[in-house]
Amino acid sequence: NAGVTQTPKFRVLKTGQSMTLLCAQDMNHEYMYWYRQDPGMGLRLIHYSVGEGTTAKGEVPDGYNVSRLKKQNFLLGLESAAPSQTSVYFCASRFRLAGDTQYFGPGTRLTVL
Amino acid sequence: SQELEQSPQSLIVQEGKNLTINCTSSKTLYGLYWYKQKYGEGLIFLMMLQKGGEEKSHEKITAKLDEKKQQSSLHITASQPSHAGIYLCGADTSARGSTLGRLYFGRGTQLTVWP
Repeated sequence: NAGVTQTPKFRVLKTGQSMTLLCAQDMNHEYMYWYRQDPGMGLRLIHYSVGEGTTAKGEVPDGYNVSRLKKQNFLLGLESAAPSQTSVYFCASRFRLAGDTQYFGPGTRLTVL
Repeated sequence: SQELEQSPQSLIVQEGKNLTINCTSSKTLYGLYWYKQKYGEGLIFLMMLQKGGEEKSHEKITAKLDEKKQQSSLHITASQPSHAGIYLCGADTSARGSTLGRLYFGRGTQLTVWP
């Protein structure tokens, strides 16, 4: 049982490049989330999914897209990276309702030059 | 919007001292989660509180949720260097049955424990 995994762990992009971050969970969780963590800002929700084939916007969705084609995977895409997207990205999942623990992946550290 | 306030933002204590971190909300907390994060790593789940007045302990860490379910505290007894890291509180502010299931997070408390 690997829990929540993220790939890659580190990435450096140039402005305008694109990339996809992959999140995978093996706990059969319905809900999955993408957060970004910036100094002094805490964790901010980018996008989330309440089930396979569904996605929704969080607090800071601009510049990102997501897809949940399979229940266990949640992909975060940056179509045209900007320096403002330099951050640490965390994926999380939880089984379903309030009261269930939300588990986090180890994070992806992204630098956009 | 920042719905959870954590205090203090940073804390430096000598090994062996006790300390408390607070997490306050303007809304009712239907679930309050404490996480610990070491630099460059993910968030490790510590404890979850749901009921007003509830208290849980694990090793030297005790978390409490007040009766009104709007404030939680994390208390570490006889701190050790291994306790160092960032502590974050996260909360459900929607009742059970919500289809959203997202957590709101405080900005974290940076704890340093010096020997």
